[in-house]
Amino acid sequence: GAVVSQHPSWVICKSGTSVKIECRSLDFQATTMFWYRQFPKQSLMLMATSNEGSKATYEQGVEKDKFLINHASLTLSTLTVTSAHPEDSSFYICSATSGLAGVNTGELFFGEGSRLTVL
Amino acid sequence: ILNVEQSPQSLHVQEGDSTNFTCSFPSSNFYALHWYRWETAKSPEALFVMTLNGDEKKKGRISATLNTKEGYSYLYIKGSQPEDSATYLCAFVSGSARQLTFGSGTQLTVLP
Repeated sequence: GAVVSQHPSWVICKSGTSVKIECRSLDFQATTMFWYRQFPKQSLMLMATSNEGSKATYEQGVEKDKFLINHASLTLSTLTVTSAHPEDSSFYICSATSGLAGVNTGELFFGEGSRLTVL
Repeated sequence: ILNVEQSPQSLHVQEGDSTNFTCSFPSSNFYALHWYRWETAKSPEALFVMTLNGDEKKKGRISATLNTKEGYSYLYIKGSQPEDSATYLCAFVSGSARQLTFGSGTQLTVLP
């Protein structure tokens, strides 16, 4: 099956610093990637949809200047949490779909997720 | 905001027991319903993508049914094994948004 790799798995940073999370499709070209955030005991909440070569589409309430998304190639999307604060501490996970992987089923292929702790 | 609910929130069963849980979603503007299995420290993995009312899909000991008119899907696990322990997520796709709206999951623990 299609494999998506996400790293780092864990990151601890000081308040005010920026953190970059990478999401890579290893064996397929991901034309679209999605970034989700999950708070404890809550569902995965879509933050933004990232299309290769174009600007990301952010969900209502998600600050695009705070959460910078770059999808510069068909295999890599990055999420940068800028000037992180303790309230940004959360679990972030990416998923991908492409013209080949999941096109008929619509299923998503997920990364392993990244747990961010901002001190 | 679309309301996708899963019940129960958590469940403990003995090895060998069969179990089932529910995903409720809006009964209008339906496009698809996804089920994912999410084991600890791993990536969520797709189990089923269901699109037709009355659909029943099966993968090994796991099966799922779909009722789009009343807005629910059941996931069944027959003869649960410890390796079935995971969080099971459902996700609703509406005809307009074409995005997945996830439930908060059912956390299943199968005791040996």
